[in-house]
Amino acid sequence: EIVLTQSPGTLSLSPGERATLSCRASQSVSSSYLAWYQQKPGQAPSLLIYGASSRATGIPDRFSGSGSGTDFTLTISSLDPEDFAVYYCQQYGSSITFGQGTRLEIK
Amino acid sequence: EVQLVESGGGLVKPGGSLRLSCDASGFTFTNAWMAWVRQAPGKGLEWVSRIKSKTDGGTTDYAAPVKGRFTISRDDSRNTLYLQMNSLKTEDTAVYYCTTLYYDFWSGYLNLFDPWGQGTLVTVSS
Repeated sequence: EIVLTQSPGTLSLSPGERATLSCRASQSVSSSYLAWYQQKPGQAPSLLIYGASSRATGIPDRFSGSGSGTDFTLTISSLDPEDFAVYYCQQYGSSITFGQGTRLEIK
Repeated sequence: EVQLVESGGGLVKPGGSLRLSCDASGFTFTNAWMAWVRQAPGKGLEWVSRIKSKTDGGTTDYAAPVKGRFTISRDDSRNTLYLQMNSLKTEDTAVYYCTTLYYDFWSGYLNLFDPWGQGTLVTVSS
């Protein structure tokens, strides 16, 4: 089973700042089958990025994904107040596993 | 608009059973691959089970912790997805989300999830 480790556990930033979230896999993720989800308090998760770098429908271009192999990054170029949430990475190349999440909080 | 509405959660004793339902609308349920994903209180996400469409074979898959205890099924005439949960354990306590697998024009169905229902809480406790 591929284990995904997200860092940092919590990221404290201010609106307008740039956020960089990391997801590291225990083995190479085939075909860059890596996705990112956003979960706001009391809500279900929603898909942001798939294929490591493709934005899902309706996702603003301030969200971008990058990486390959075992190291992946989600970048939010300029934080909007609605972006403060928990972010999960997920690999879907070998079975299905999620990272433990990164909490993005307002500083 | 796609809607997924889960029901059937509640409090059950260890060793008991529960059946979750997910009513789907706003898309062609018959063609969709469906899944259940759960989230223990204050914890991360865990994939539980997946079912393909009948036209794609209707095959099912399960995560190791639930294999042999949970059964996923679908009733295309009712646009409803089910999860029968038997021999429940305290570690099965979670919000259970119904979700569709994402369809990519070039790659077909992928094991990622969009959209999701709002979830139903299952509590396993004596």
